Amino acid sequence: GQSLEQPSEVTAVEGAIVQINCTYQTSGFYGLSWYQQHDGGAPTFLSYNALDGLEETGRFSSFLSRSDSYGYLLLQELQMKDSASYFCAVPGLTDSWGKLQFGAGTQVVVTP
Amino acid sequence: IAGITQAPTSQILAAGRRMTLRCTQDMRHNAMYWYRQDLGLGLRLIHYSNTAGTTGKGEVPDGYSVSRANTDDFPLTLASAVPSQTSVYFCASSEGDRGRGGYTFGSGTRLTVV
Repeated sequence: GQSLEQPSEVTAVEGAIVQINCTYQTSGFYGLSWYQQHDGGAPTFLSYNALDGLEETGRFSSFLSRSDSYGYLLLQELQMKDSASYFCAVPGLTDSWGKLQFGAGTQVVVTP
Repeated sequence: IAGITQAPTSQILAAGRRMTLRCTQDMRHNAMYWYRQDLGLGLRLIHYSNTAGTTGKGEVPDGYSVSRANTDDFPLTLASAVPSQTSVYFCASSEGDRGRGGYTFGSGTRLTVV
């Protein structure tokens, strides 16, 4: 089976940097995805890492270490609008299509 | 605007009743999925469809059924609702590329079974 672990909540002030860690256990690996979800909204795709290293997209960056089965999402220059839940996800291996399994989510609370 | 449309937005349903949640996409994605989201449990896969005409069971399929008659539509049916099916239901679609291109989610259906 597969499992993903991420912290349940992180609190930080505006302008700060937040790192959300995700560790996964899977018998095989294709890639690690990150999604953002605001309260009452739908999850939206943020990033996908298939190879080791850091990928930057504006204020958000995502990192992957396949040897450590670990990744993180880095939120820089935090803004109030970044208050949301963030989910890491990996594809299952039961078929070539790879249905995503999601972690339980990390709620990020940004304070003034 | 390309995306996924879900209906209804919310519903209160009496236990034992049958209900179909509708999902339509206009992106011509091959794969579609139904997830339920409960507090503290994240998103759990109910059923999926890799292509039109095929469906499969996810992590929590009991009490639910789906069909995929064409590329665009993927309805989810609760044959006889029970209170434990109270949840927020999200439909999603993708190219079926193991998440590389990202999933697109609908806005969700909030279902309360009483």
